[in-house]
Amino acid sequence: GQQLNQSPQSMFIQEGEDVSMNCTSSSIFNTWLWYKQEPGEGPVLLIALYKAGELTSNGRLTAQFGITRKDSFLNISASIPSDVGIYFCAGHTGANSKLTFGKGITLSVRP
Amino acid sequence: NAGVTQTPKFQVLKTGQSMTLQCAQDMNHNSMYWYRQDPGMGLRLIYYSASEGTTDKGEVPNGYNVSRLNKREFSLRLESAAPSQTSVYFCASSQTGALNEKLFFGSGTQLSVL
Repeated sequence: GQQLNQSPQSMFIQEGEDVSMNCTSSSIFNTWLWYKQEPGEGPVLLIALYKAGELTSNGRLTAQFGITRKDSFLNISASIPSDVGIYFCAGHTGANSKLTFGKGITLSVRP
Repeated sequence: NAGVTQTPKFQVLKTGQSMTLQCAQDMNHNSMYWYRQDPGMGLRLIYYSASEGTTDKGEVPNGYNVSRLNKREFSLRLESAAPSQTSVYFCASSQTGALNEKLFFGSGTQLSVL
């Protein structure tokens, strides 16, 4: 089945820094979604992307749907302590396909 | 708005015991899902219900059963719990019957099987 690759498993940054996370696949995806999960909670949708090349922002977050349709990235600018959590990418390969999740990247922000 | 509500929040079972995890959504969504989350494994789909009256297996269905009780409620049952089922379980829902919509998640049930 389709796999989404996220690495590294953990990232440690200083408050105020920008951070970029990639999500890659060997398969073509039609939809890319980015979720954030805080401790003790379920994942919350941050950004949804539906078209190759699409660039979408949500506050300090910016995500792009790669031109090849095999990757996406999420940028967080000027990080703050509440950005800590696990960031998952997810995507669909077709209209009736199940949503595939990456394994997530745990982000830590040092004050 | 409550969104997706799961109960219980925490549960400890002994091997062989049974239990049902409850999930309800108030967004009038057609589709509902059960996932499990294990360290280093991400989210894996157990079962889903594309619409009221239908259920289908996901990636890891063995040891589980589900019931789509009505449009709002989708329960997950462990008939004979095993230690391998120790995990965090998430219920989710989405608007459309097709499996290509964004999901909204509950806050999870942390289950330990001893």
